[in-house]
Amino acid sequence: DIQMTQSPASLSASLGETVSIECLASEGISNDLAWYQQKSGKSPQLLIYAASRLQDGVPSRFSGSGSGTRYSLKISGMQPEDEADYFCQQSYKYPLTFGSGTKLEIK
Amino acid sequence: QIQLVQSGPELKKPGESVKISCKASGYTFTDYAMHWVKQAPGKGLKWMGWINTYTGKPTYADDFKGRFVFSLEASASTANLQISNLKNEDTATYFCVRFNSGYVMDAWGQGGSVTVSS
Repeated sequence: DIQMTQSPASLSASLGETVSIECLASEGISNDLAWYQQKSGKSPQLLIYAASRLQDGVPSRFSGSGSGTRYSLKISGMQPEDEADYFCQQSYKYPLTFGSGTKLEIK
Repeated sequence: QIQLVQSGPELKKPGESVKISCKASGYTFTDYAMHWVKQAPGKGLKWMGWINTYTGKPTYADDFKGRFVFSLEASASTANLQISNLKNEDTATYFCVRFNSGYVMDAWGQGGSVTVSS
């Protein structure tokens, strides 16, 4: 199975700050990487797919990058509504696997 | 708009069974696979497997073979997850998720909560 190591586990950011979350895959996943946002008590929502493609309706302050085994999600200018858990997920190979999540809070 | 509406919360005893339904609307049900994801309280996301909504063939992740069954009521655009012989560790929220042709989970149900307690 492909292991997805996500860091940091938690993060605190001020409004307007730029934050980054990283995922390291245990083998190359050819950009088959998605990022999801999960707000408290809600279901996850797709933010980014194919490593860097923004899902329709997602604010442009969210961006994804990476290749091979290293991927990152960047939020350029933290907003109150961005307080949530974030997960990466690979769909390169079955079984599909998720990162352990990053809890992002407002400082 | 695309919607996946799941059944309500369930409280069960160990050894009992539960069925969680997921009704899809806003798209052609048989054009997209349906995946299932487990989230234990305060924990991360774990992929359980998927069902081909055209053929009805299920595929299970290793940890979900045996007591877990994916099924369809295609005429009703509904996917079901049945868990038998419930254990305390099955306490979780179970999400149905649409999987698109780009291999992305692009729509999620609101979650079906199962609590197992004696």
